[in-house]
Amino acid sequence: DTGVSQDPRHKITKRGQNVTFRCDPISEHNRLYWYRQTLGQGPEFLTYFQNEAQLEKSRLLSDRFSAERPKGSFSTLEIQRTEQGDSAMYLCASSPRGAYNEQFFGPGTRLTVL
Amino acid sequence: TQLLEQSPQFLSIQEGENLTVYCNSSSVFSSLQWYRQEPGEGPVLLVTVVTGGEVKKLKRLTFQFGDARKDSSLHITAAQPGDTGLYLCAGGNYNQGGKLIFGQGTELSVKP
Repeated sequence: DTGVSQDPRHKITKRGQNVTFRCDPISEHNRLYWYRQTLGQGPEFLTYFQNEAQLEKSRLLSDRFSAERPKGSFSTLEIQRTEQGDSAMYLCASSPRGAYNEQFFGPGTRLTVL
Repeated sequence: TQLLEQSPQFLSIQEGENLTVYCNSSSVFSSLQWYRQEPGEGPVLLVTVVTGGEVKKLKRLTFQFGDARKDSSLHITAAQPGDTGLYLCAGGNYNQGGKLIFGQGTELSVKP
């Protein structure tokens, strides 16, 4: 049973650069979520997809952030013109049909913006 | 805005002791999840509770959902060093797409 995978696990970038993260959910799960977690805090919701449709975006998701799930399988999260405040752990989760609150998380991508 | 507050934020105990972590809100949730997270890793789902007053047990861990579905507790019996980690509660509502609201976490350290 393959869990949620994320790539890369770590990313160090310079301020102003663009970065893209990938998430592969559990294969039969139709919902996919992105969260952000900073040190000492719980994860904060960013956005979620049902199949390929992006159904909700948090106010935390500024216009520099964009997420896609083109074929309803894997998803990408892109951050343009990164800022130091974007440094965080970006977590992806997926959930099965009918049990949307039971979300299974990937290992996360740790972003450091210098 | 729905919020979940966890207490205590930090807990350091000796192996063999018992402990309880609390998760409180002024809002009602459809369900409440408990996760455990280790440094540099994603949260791992421990349990989901959906019915007011529900009690679930997972080996030495006992989870309870409050009658009004606004609060929850996690009790660990005879803690072991392997229980060390960040414990997170998260609430969800079916009419809000399933997005989870997380507490800030309880950092547990169990010393041998």
